[in-house]
Amino acid sequence: QVHLVQSGAEVKKPGASVKVSCKASGYSFINYYIHWVRQAPGQGLEWMGRINPYDADTDYAEKLKGRVTMARDTSTTTVHMELSSLRTDDTAVYYCVVITQGYWGQGTLVTVSS
Amino acid sequence: EIVLTQSPGTLSLSPGERATLSCRASQSVSSNYLAWYQQKPGQAPRLLIYGASSRATGIPDRFSGSGSGTDFTLTISRLEPEDFAVYYCQQYGSSSTFGPGTKVDIK
Repeated sequence: QVHLVQSGAEVKKPGASVKVSCKASGYSFINYYIHWVRQAPGQGLEWMGRINPYDADTDYAEKLKGRVTMARDTSTTTVHMELSSLRTDDTAVYYCVVITQGYWGQGTLVTVSS
Repeated sequence: EIVLTQSPGTLSLSPGERATLSCRASQSVSSNYLAWYQQKPGQAPRLLIYGASSRATGIPDRFSGSGSGTDFTLTISRLEPEDFAVYYCQQYGSSSTFGPGTKVDIK
């Protein structure tokens, strides 16, 4: 049984950073890219970036470059996504996804508010 | 960055009717790495189609994907009540981007 289990909801102030984790199980962790996708309230889906768990190679969305960092830990089959310099418009549900297999995490609500 | 445009923005149809959703890319999608998702309120998106035309596991055969290059289509042959939702396309060949979505609602 495949699971992508994400860390819990976060409330942050503008300018702070947030780190969301995604623990993968039930499949070969190093064989599939893990992507991060977010969805602001009432809005569409936004691709943030992806990481290759095999070699930790990353590819980030242009608009988030400089603020987003993705990393993986093969010993715990976990990927982490850190977003810095948070703004109120970063308020969204954040998902980790294995695109080609259709595996989605349960989502993590990040609220940025003063 | 590849920009995806979906049309129409909203599609109003009755159960049993055929739905045709379009996704157009600003440049060719490499290896036809194009996916379609269905999303219902309060739920994560569900993968329907990957590789432009391959149905994901457990997806009914009334859903089909077609197209190549810059023009792609999702067809729902006969709408069931549970199919009324928002549909997104995504290209994952050159980095990745999502389209803005098409809402299929009940007429």
